[in-house]
Amino acid sequence: RKEVEQDPGPFNVPEGATVAFNCTYSNSASQSFFWYRQDCRKEPKLLMSVYSSGNEDGRFTAQLNRASQYISLLIRDSKLSDSATYLCVVNTNAGKSTFGDGTTLTVKP
Amino acid sequence: GAVVSQHPSRVICKSGTSVKIECRSLDFQATTMFWYRQFPKQSLMLMATSNEGSKATYEQGVEKDKFLINHASLTLSTLTVTSAHPEDSSFYICSATTGGMETQYFGPGTRLLVL
Repeated sequence: RKEVEQDPGPFNVPEGATVAFNCTYSNSASQSFFWYRQDCRKEPKLLMSVYSSGNEDGRFTAQLNRASQYISLLIRDSKLSDSATYLCVVNTNAGKSTFGDGTTLTVKP
Repeated sequence: GAVVSQHPSRVICKSGTSVKIECRSLDFQATTMFWYRQFPKQSLMLMATSNEGSKATYEQGVEKDKFLINHASLTLSTLTVTSAHPEDSSFYICSATTGGMETQYFGPGTRLLVL
């Protein structure tokens, strides 16, 4: 079993749709959690950190459920520019990062 | 935000040659730098963790004699792919962090093609 598992996707949604991605992790000692987005042939860029209390940044909402060991990302009112691969990243207290395989989102007009 | 650069962005070389990739943190001091490799349609795979002034820690399955890492200063780490072969062709990305559980800032990546 992989340490970090994501919905395989791909997700193809129309503009304006709401889409949610889930990510589960196996290491209960994981300390910090992030969502990155990666555009085709580019490096990953931080989208948002994920906090236990949940956090929101504009159209994006991230949630963490430590008991069930999963994190989620909700995107409201999808834009064409949201098309990318979304990577779930989990850090242990040793500072090691483990990436999920990513979920590909395509937003269509 | 923090800026990390990588050089070169793209390199094509013959099989058997060595290739050096530089990773620099431009506006902050990076106590730790990470080197990743990403094959098409796959996620990033951590190759090694590099701390300034000490030997890199390699992930299982990564040959330390083939992928030489040097982290000579708080702003520069280098990865040298020695005696490159076609199967080493990949997208190599570095990231830098100030340590602990801080977010990682990624370089733009280096595309290596070994002929």
